[in-house]
Amino acid sequence: QKEVEQNSGPLSVPEGAIASLNCTYSDRGSQSFFWYRQYSGKSPELIMSIYSNGDKEDGRFTAQLNKASQYVSLLIRDSQPSDSATYLCAVSKAAGNKLTFGGGTRVLVKP
Amino acid sequence: DVKVTQSSRYLVKRTGEKVFLECVQDMDHENMFWYRQDPGLGLRLIYFSYDVKMKEKGDIPEGYSVSREKKERFSLILESASTNQTSMYLCASSLLGSGSSYEQYFGPGTRLTVT
Repeated sequence: QKEVEQNSGPLSVPEGAIASLNCTYSDRGSQSFFWYRQYSGKSPELIMSIYSNGDKEDGRFTAQLNKASQYVSLLIRDSQPSDSATYLCAVSKAAGNKLTFGGGTRVLVKP
Repeated sequence: DVKVTQSSRYLVKRTGEKVFLECVQDMDHENMFWYRQDPGLGLRLIYFSYDVKMKEKGDIPEGYSVSREKKERFSLILESASTNQTSMYLCASSLLGSGSSYEQYFGPGTRLTVT
């Protein structure tokens, strides 16, 4: 079992719809959770960080964390073609500062 | 804004050459990281450093070494480049967390080709 798992996609979403991305992790000691967006040929760009159970909203993005079920999700509302990218989930343990990345979910937003 | 810069965007080297990749951050971050990213394998940590002259191995340190002589600069060294080290190399930095981790910020990446 991989430490951080994501569906590789592609997740095809019509413009204006909600894109829902999921990430599960195996280490119950994980404390910090991050979502990155990566355009083709570019480096990862931080979108959201979340540390406690529940929802965290930032503009069109909402991160949801459920530590009991060991999953973290990302919702993209009003999806735009410019949201087409690979989204990486990253997880960190409390005692360290290293991140473990999932393989990423490719999102395609179709006009 | 955090700024992480890498010395080259594209680099072509020959097998057996010694290769230096440099990374500089301007936000006084304690942590610095080197990753490589390959299709199908994702992002993998090579080395990281939480202080000057300190380093720790990541998941795939073989064939690499690092140097951190100044807080803002972290260098990745390929002692004798091989074709299987052809990859995208990404540097990142973050504050040093205690109870939880801080966000990592990435540089633009260096696409290294070893022929």
